[in-house]
Amino acid sequence: QKEVEQDPGPLSVPEGAIVSLNCTYSNSAFQYFMWYRQYSRKGPELLMYTYSSGNKEDGRFTAQVDKSSKYISLFIRDSQPSDSATYLCAMMASGGSNYKLTFGKGTLLTVNP
Amino acid sequence: DAGVTQSPTHLIKTRGQQVTLRCSPKSGHDTVSWYQQALGQGPQFIFQYYEEEERQRGNFPDRFSGHQFPNYSSELNVNALLLGDSALYLCASRPPGLASEQYFGPGTRLTVT
Repeated sequence: QKEVEQDPGPLSVPEGAIVSLNCTYSNSAFQYFMWYRQYSRKGPELLMYTYSSGNKEDGRFTAQVDKSSKYISLFIRDSQPSDSATYLCAMMASGGSNYKLTFGKGTLLTVNP
Repeated sequence: DAGVTQSPTHLIKTRGQQVTLRCSPKSGHDTVSWYQQALGQGPQFIFQYYEEEERQRGNFPDRFSGHQFPNYSSELNVNALLLGDSALYLCASRPPGLASEQYFGPGTRLTVT
């Protein structure tokens, strides 16, 4: 079993739709949860990060973490064509010098005008 | 303020050759990590450098080595290249004390023929 599972999609939605992206994980040591956006042939761009369980909102983006279910989500409201990209979830355990990010495979999102 | 920069952008090498990739971290960042991203996959952690020492290493063979310089810039060296080493190589940097804020560069696309 992989440490982080993410449905690769592809996911295609009309402009203005609410998008839900999800990851599950198996390592209970993960404490930091990140979402990155990666445009084609570019490096990943940090969108949001949360520590432990709970919700975090930033503009049209909301990240949710449910540690009891080992499940994280990213919601995008009022999606725009410029949101079309691959979305990567990433996780990290805390403590010591452990700063390794473990990524999902990424979900390819297309927002159609 | 320049973000993380990497050079070269693209590189084509032959099996058995050696390659060196370079990374300059974002201003104020002192820790550099390297990741390998194969096509259609999430980035895989190679290693991390802090205070000019390798602090953590992922599941990569000794053919992969690195270095960090006093100005925090870093190099990734890969010896005896294999076809399977073809990938996007990403460098990420983070500021002191903020493990969850890791910012990626645009990557170096390595093709091994």
